Amino acid sequence: ETGVTQTPRHLVMGMTNKKSLKCEQHLGHNAMYWYKQSAKKPLELMFVYNFKEQTENNSVPSRFSPECPNSSHLFLHLHTLQPEDSALYLCASSPRLADLRGELFFGEGSRLTVL
Amino acid sequence: AQSVTQPDIHITVSEGASLELRCNYSYGATPYLFWYVQSPGQGLQLLLKYFSGDTLVQGIKGFEAEFKRSQSSFNLRKPSVHWSDAAEYFCAVGSMNYGGSQGNLIFGKGTKLSVKP
Repeated sequence: ETGVTQTPRHLVMGMTNKKSLKCEQHLGHNAMYWYKQSAKKPLELMFVYNFKEQTENNSVPSRFSPECPNSSHLFLHLHTLQPEDSALYLCASSPRLADLRGELFFGEGSRLTVL
Repeated sequence: AQSVTQPDIHITVSEGASLELRCNYSYGATPYLFWYVQSPGQGLQLLLKYFSGDTLVQGIKGFEAEFKRSQSSFNLRKPSVHWSDAAEYFCAVGSMNYGGSQGNLIFGKGTKLSVKP
């Protein structure tokens, strides 16, 4: 079992749909992250959670709504998305938020296509 | 503001040839520097990292990188490339004083590596 698991791996949705992406980490980490990876753009940090509390919202539109019920699970709820939101959404975790000597552990990503 | 530049979008090398991927960063203090690799359909995996000390760091899969403060560079190297190294490579810089003000790592746009047989 991989350390960070994301489901679904692929998702196609219409602009009026509501869907959710799920991330689960089995590493005992306290910090979790959502990144967006679009073609030809750097990875964009979306949200950061530390001990279930959101510490960072990087000016993300409200059609993306994160939820972190505990330190092991992170969700990204999607509602009325736009075609330009099509991207690979990566979840990551790290042992602690402020210690950057540790690495980020990434999931395999959820490939989202908005029609 | 911190930034990371990977000047090469796509590089093709022959199997067995040497490889160097370039990375330049902009950061006022001593940076934490990372190289990640992303194989097709996969998440990112850490190859190596630099925090302090020896400026030549060794990583997994036979990769190494050298930190050159005078050039603000952290180039990734491998003496002999294997077909399985075909992937996208990302350089990243971390802030020493994260403090919650922004994401803990700033990534470059990546360099896609293709390997010819």
